[in-house]
Amino acid sequence: EAEVAQSPRYKITEKSQAVAFWCDPISGHATLYWYRQILGQGPELLVQFQDESVVDDSQLPKDRFSAERLKGVDSTLKIQPAELGDSAMYLCASSFPRNTEAFFGQGTRLTVV
Amino acid sequence: SQKIEQNSEALNIQEGKTATLTCNYTNYSPAYLQWYRQDPGRGPVFLLLIRENEKEKRKERLKVTFDTTLKQSLFHITASQPADSATYLCALVGTTDSWGKLQFGAGTQVVVTP
Repeated sequence: EAEVAQSPRYKITEKSQAVAFWCDPISGHATLYWYRQILGQGPELLVQFQDESVVDDSQLPKDRFSAERLKGVDSTLKIQPAELGDSAMYLCASSFPRNTEAFFGQGTRLTVV
Repeated sequence: SQKIEQNSEALNIQEGKTATLTCNYTNYSPAYLQWYRQDPGRGPVFLLLIRENEKEKRKERLKVTFDTTLKQSLFHITASQPADSATYLCALVGTTDSWGKLQFGAGTQVVVTP
């Protein structure tokens, strides 16, 4: 069964360092999402792509976060510099365009120390 | 401001009984509502979707109702099993949101004991 692949699964980084997460969506899924989930809360959308274009990044802290999906397939989310409050699970999801079901990856658990 | 509220207290239920979870929303005009299951340390898994013009949806032992007047969705797991133990998230997409932009509640943990 096709899955959304994310790496790394776990990442520990020091405050003020740069960190990057990678996501490979299910083949054929033109829509890709990055969510952040703080422990005990629901996922919060950071950025949504349609192919290589950003559809919504209204909740992305653009002073330190960036996301790209250069060829409209896999995607990278970067944080620079990382802050203690960035500790969370970062989830990638994908779907067919205008399809309502999102498929989530296993996530990257980030701990900033 | 927009709010999606789910019971924060865990729901403890005996195997075989029906678990009922609540999702309430305010300041929202939903196009559709979804329910996801999330196991510890894993990403959410889609379960059911219900549109704003639908009252009820079923899938195997799961049932979802949607009352846009009460601004509430109920999620039922009938004949619950220990394997149903997980956190259940509701998520909405508003009519003015970009397609697929899910706004999640905090989730309710369900614990099914044998």
